[in-house]
Amino acid sequence: EVQLVESGGGLVQPGRSLRLSCAASGFTFDDYAMHWVRQAPGKGLEWVSGISWNSGSIGYADSVKGRFTISRDNAKNSLYLQMNSLRAEDMALYYCAKAGGIAAALDYWGQGTLVTVSS
Amino acid sequence: QSALTQPPSASGSPGQSVTISCTGTSSDVGGYNYVSWYQQHPGKAPKLMIYEVSKRPSGVPDRFSGSKSGNTASLTVSGLQAEDEADYYCCSYAGSNIKVFGGGTKLTVL
Repeated sequence: EVQLVESGGGLVQPGRSLRLSCAASGFTFDDYAMHWVRQAPGKGLEWVSGISWNSGSIGYADSVKGRFTISRDNAKNSLYLQMNSLRAEDMALYYCAKAGGIAAALDYWGQGTLVTVSS
Repeated sequence: QSALTQPPSASGSPGQSVTISCTGTSSDVGGYNYVSWYQQHPGKAPKLMIYEVSKRPSGVPDRFSGSKSGNTASLTVSGLQAEDEADYYCCSYAGSNIKVFGGGTKLTVL
């Protein structure tokens, strides 16, 4: 059974940093692209970033480019999102999701980890 | 990276059909066959319903179908059931390793 478990969310002050993790199991992690998608309270889904199986292809939404860095450790079956210079508008539930390729659909999602940005 | 355009709401009675549109540009929806649709019930993670414009993952009822014409993709739900009431989001690949979502449509089963 595919499982994606996010962690690392919490309360952080504006301008500070946070690192999210996503632990994957139930599939061959290094065969798949992975993505981060966020959802602000009461709002819609927003794609944040994606990474190919070998980290050779990476993309970011304009809203996070230059502040967020996606990475993965295939030996640890883990996906990461380093978030720097956090803003109030980054406050959201962050989901990790699995995809067949960087362009492909997101076929499995985790339950999300909540990031709250407030002073 | 502009969000795809979806109607905020849609509705239909049980047994009826409803179609939700998703309008983008030639740089996203019109340029690639990587359009997908997601269903999200309150408090739950999104679930993939349609991928590559019109393909259904295993386990998704065939009441759900997808199509695309030019820069507009569509999700049709036939034979509406109470459990279909949810938020629906379209998503498209936009090139350069970028994806973009629609704003979401709240489907109400009357």
